[in-house]
Amino acid sequence: EAGVAQSPRYKIIEKRQSVAFWCNPISGHATLYWYQQILGQGPKLLIQFQNNGVVDDSQLPKDRFSAERLKGVDSTLKIQPAKLEDSAVYLCASSYSLGDIQYFGAGTRLSVL
Amino acid sequence: QQQVKQSPQSLIVQKGGISIINCAYENTAFDYFPWYQQFPGKGPALLIAIRPDVSEKKEGRFTISFNKSAKQFSLHIMDSQPGDSATYFCAASTKSNYQLIWGAGTKLIIKP
Repeated sequence: EAGVAQSPRYKIIEKRQSVAFWCNPISGHATLYWYQQILGQGPKLLIQFQNNGVVDDSQLPKDRFSAERLKGVDSTLKIQPAKLEDSAVYLCASSYSLGDIQYFGAGTRLSVL
Repeated sequence: QQQVKQSPQSLIVQKGGISIINCAYENTAFDYFPWYQQFPGKGPALLIAIRPDVSEKKEGRFTISFNKSAKQFSLHIMDSQPGDSATYFCAASTKSNYQLIWGAGTKLIIKP
């Protein structure tokens, strides 16, 4: 069974630029999560989808971050414009349903200069 | 209230020794307590999890001890091996939204 796929693995941008991350969850998983992991900290949930609907986005900085999950499968997370404090690893996870085990991708390491 | 406090921040253990990582929480509504293992350049992976109806769960060399009255739980790694060197995260969630609240992580180094 293929795991959660994320791309790109690394991204370096200047502040105020835009960036997008892509996630392909495990086939059949209805729930998809985007986390932000700052160096030395645990992951912080940004947004959670159930199929193509948003379950929770209370910790998503909506003035600059956006996410979508078209057709309830792949998802993209965008940052526009990026700030220095956005430097982090962005992790995507998926689970069969709410409350089930979350499986993580390898993440995208973003450096904002 | 929503925090999970994890200690120590880093830990060095000799090969064959016991590694112990501790977590504490305040929210009594938490009812699921997983431990995740993360290797450099990889995402976290579920290692072992416990619910508050039991005080201990063991899977191979990994054991979770749970103290409901003290609101604490810990991960014990017996016969620690160099391959166990990784960052370990505790987490907790409630039935209301199943969202994981994560500890800050413990970087474990097993010396050969």
